[in-house]
Amino acid sequence: QVQLVESGGGVVQPGRSLTLSCVTSGFSFSIYRMHWVRQAPGKGLEWVAVISNDGSNEDYADAVKGRFTISRDNSENTLYVKMNSLRAEDTAVYYCARSSDQIPDALVFWGQGTMVTVSS
Amino acid sequence: IQVTQSPSSLSASVGDRVAITCRASQDISNYLAWYQQKPGKAPNLLIYAASTLQSGVPSRFSGSGSGTDFTLTISRLQPEDAATYYCQHLHSRPYTFGQGTKLDIK
Repeated sequence: QVQLVESGGGVVQPGRSLTLSCVTSGFSFSIYRMHWVRQAPGKGLEWVAVISNDGSNEDYADAVKGRFTISRDNSENTLYVKMNSLRAEDTAVYYCARSSDQIPDALVFWGQGTMVTVSS
Repeated sequence: IQVTQSPSSLSASVGDRVAITCRASQDISNYLAWYQQKPGKAPNLLIYAASTLQSGVPSRFSGSGSGTDFTLTISRLQPEDAATYYCQHLHSRPYTFGQGTKLDIK
């Protein structure tokens, strides 16, 4: 069955960097757009970034543009997000999610999330 | 594109029919999805393309609307429907979510 497992979260100081990973299985990773979505504690969902199936195209929310970089390794079925210049407001659970077959960017499969806390 | 959900919370009884609305700041055709999220869990896709039920989702969930105004309707409310519901537009990036609607079962 489809599985997405995020890792790499933790406590990091403001201004530092962190890279999250999302290892996937149970589907043909290389044919799907992949997304990152985050949720600050007690808050709503915030779309973060998307990457095309071959990694040639990416896009970001304004709040993270220029600081976050989404990437993928199709040979390893793994999605990444590198987060630089982290701020307190980046504190959130980060989810990776897979697009649906029927409509490209509806998010049909999600990981369990990994918590990132930005604090000194 | 901004999406505004209402109400922010509501309370209803088992068997009731409830409606949650989502308004987009510009015409998004039918590029809208609805998700359900229970505490401590990842969201679950309910509806895409404004009105198409995702496979495996109970038929008491339905979506309607196009352009700027959309509605998620839950008929015959069940105890397991207690959750927070989000809309998300998929018209153009960034794919903004609504603020969420918390549904409690009386």
